[in-house]
Amino acid sequence: DAGITQSPRHKVTETGTPVTLRCHQTENHRYMYWYRQDPGHGLRLIHYSYGVKDTDKGEVSDGYSVSRSKTEDFLLTLESATSSQTSVYFCAIPGPNTGELFFGEGSRLTVL
Amino acid sequence: GQQVMQIPQYQHVQEGEDFTTYCNSSTTLSNIQWYKQRPGGHPVFLIQLVKSGEVKKQKRLTFQFGEAKKNSSLHITATQTTDVGTYFCAGGLTGGTSYGKLTFGQGTILTVHP
Repeated sequence: DAGITQSPRHKVTETGTPVTLRCHQTENHRYMYWYRQDPGHGLRLIHYSYGVKDTDKGEVSDGYSVSRSKTEDFLLTLESATSSQTSVYFCAIPGPNTGELFFGEGSRLTVL
Repeated sequence: GQQVMQIPQYQHVQEGEDFTTYCNSSTTLSNIQWYKQRPGGHPVFLIQLVKSGEVKKQKRLTFQFGEAKKNSSLHITATQTTDVGTYFCAGGLTGGTSYGKLTFGQGTILTVHP
């Protein structure tokens, strides 16, 4: 599997608190992605990055921000978590061929 | 925006029966990918189809991409208990900052009864 790790793997927090999820890759890839997975919705793109300090919004970016200060790390921040952000978050990087994604193990976030 | 619909949402089969899941996109795709996610796991890439009408096989799995590049299917012959999981299709668009930005179907959850 590709060298991609996420932390924390599980987190329970309260509404209104800030939360940061970290994605770390050892593949030196320019592109990194954050998806969220919810029942009945598949995976939906939150934000992505195409280089250090280069990020853009995905389909469901409201309430989320990202940062990429170095190639290997892509951070996803919920400034003020809401119950609707309870989800499983997956980070991904491209594989060696054209466009397929390798996903991290996921971070399960529960907002009470 | 682009939408990818996947049916059925659930499929329960007896071991040895066949299984098919279908994907339909609202727009023409440059490629379609299929992923499998085991319970509690992460999505794992299975295959990518690029050409109109393309058919690819992986052992008991057959993947098809429609002539109009707007639909796709995954067929599993003679299911086994190891096939249990959620199967996702994901549509991709060409070029530039579309690289890696996939639109996923809702997934089909497959259970196999021994």
